[in-house]
Amino acid sequence: QQQVKQSPQSLIVQKGGISIINCAYENTAFDYFPWYQQFPGKGPALLIAIRPDVSEKKEGRFTISFNKSAKQFSLHIMDSQPGDSATYFCAASMVDKIIFGKGTRLHILP
Amino acid sequence: DSGVTQTPKHLITATGQRVTLRCSPRSGDLSVYWYQQSLDQGLQFLIQYYNGEERAKGNILERFSAQQFPDLHSELNLSSLELGDSALYFCASSAEVRTDLTGELFFGEGSRLTVL
Repeated sequence: QQQVKQSPQSLIVQKGGISIINCAYENTAFDYFPWYQQFPGKGPALLIAIRPDVSEKKEGRFTISFNKSAKQFSLHIMDSQPGDSATYFCAASMVDKIIFGKGTRLHILP
Repeated sequence: DSGVTQTPKHLITATGQRVTLRCSPRSGDLSVYWYQQSLDQGLQFLIQYYNGEERAKGNILERFSAQQFPDLHSELNLSSLELGDSALYFCASSAEVRTDLTGELFFGEGSRLTVL
């Protein structure tokens, strides 16, 4: 019940396309859902986050869609660029811990 | 630059040995987290400290231990090392004690441990 399931494991998208990464959780005690972006040789960094009382949050080309009843949330990257190539982690947070998904390696073809 | 400093960046050692990884959090951050990253398991939460006290425990093996010192730096001790302990170990820091407030952790660049 502490797991966060993330898919796909890897994703290849053409430049200008839409990248979609999905996550699911089971524990309803989670109440904050951040996404982290990690470039090779670097630590993860917060990209965007959402709380479950909101169904969608958009920051530039990045959008989180949240479905509370289904316990699912997803990251959409519009107009994907080669610079977006990185590993993306979804996460679910409660009072005393943040649980990360296993990550999605995204590669944007030029 | 996240402001979190981890040393060493790379470490190669043999099975059965003991190593210590060090983390200096961002200035002013009281919470320190340790994560293990492997290819097949993603980011696994190990342990959290807040202002010197253990706050939360995750999937940390008994062979591993950690502490946070009065100056807020933290050390992760890994002993009786096995091949499977080879991984990237990340330290992260946060201003908050609770992870559901802002959810933002600031990660260091990691310490890559190779056990031969």
